[in-house]
Amino acid sequence: AQKITQTQPGMFVQEKEAVTLDCTYDTSDPSYGLFWYKQPSSGEMIFLIYQGSYDQQNATEGRYSLNFQKARKSANLVISASQLGDSAMYFCAMREKKLTGGGNKLTFGTGTQLKVEL
Amino acid sequence: DAGITQSPRHKVTETGTPVTLRCHQTENHRYMYWYRQDPGHGLRLIHYSYGVKDTDKGEVSDGYSVSRSKTEDFLLTLESATSSQTSVYFCAIATGGRYYGYTFGSGTRLTVV
Repeated sequence: AQKITQTQPGMFVQEKEAVTLDCTYDTSDPSYGLFWYKQPSSGEMIFLIYQGSYDQQNATEGRYSLNFQKARKSANLVISASQLGDSAMYFCAMREKKLTGGGNKLTFGTGTQLKVEL
Repeated sequence: DAGITQSPRHKVTETGTPVTLRCHQTENHRYMYWYRQDPGHGLRLIHYSYGVKDTDKGEVSDGYSVSRSKTEDFLLTLESATSSQTSVYFCAIATGGRYYGYTFGSGTRLTVV
């Protein structure tokens, strides 16, 4: 079963509009973390925002906010006031159970390609 | 920011040849990871390391081996490259801190012809 599901392969948004990128997850671990990464056409992975499973408030980082609905197991990324530079691939990821040796595994969704239009 | 570099950035190789990708970090982070990125699959874990000479398999480890003889270097080897291993490979380090976050290298684009 998919651990992280991103159902929107591609999305378009007008410049200056807000956009929501969907992410649902599945875990039985009570302690986990959710990340969003941006991957522009240049290829690097850029950390955007983090939400811990015990965090009471939704995370915000500048124009990025994470709409965390724990009971629904969703962690949608909201980008306000979209800019042309926001055009990129966006990945949702979950850090959960420990691997052998103590490290955590980061599991990724398949990504959403966002294009911001004038 | 943690310094992490991957080499080479691009490589084209022939089917059946061995290939080694290098990940180098300038800080003393314990956990290092190799992922591959493919369209429709996101990033998938190949192997990871939790210390010098301590490594284990991820979900797509067949056809790959790794080594970590020094804290700063984590090598990924394709023993006999196949076209299905054409991919973008990312190294990551767990940098800890508030988010138990990860920092990724710039990626290596490998093409097997």
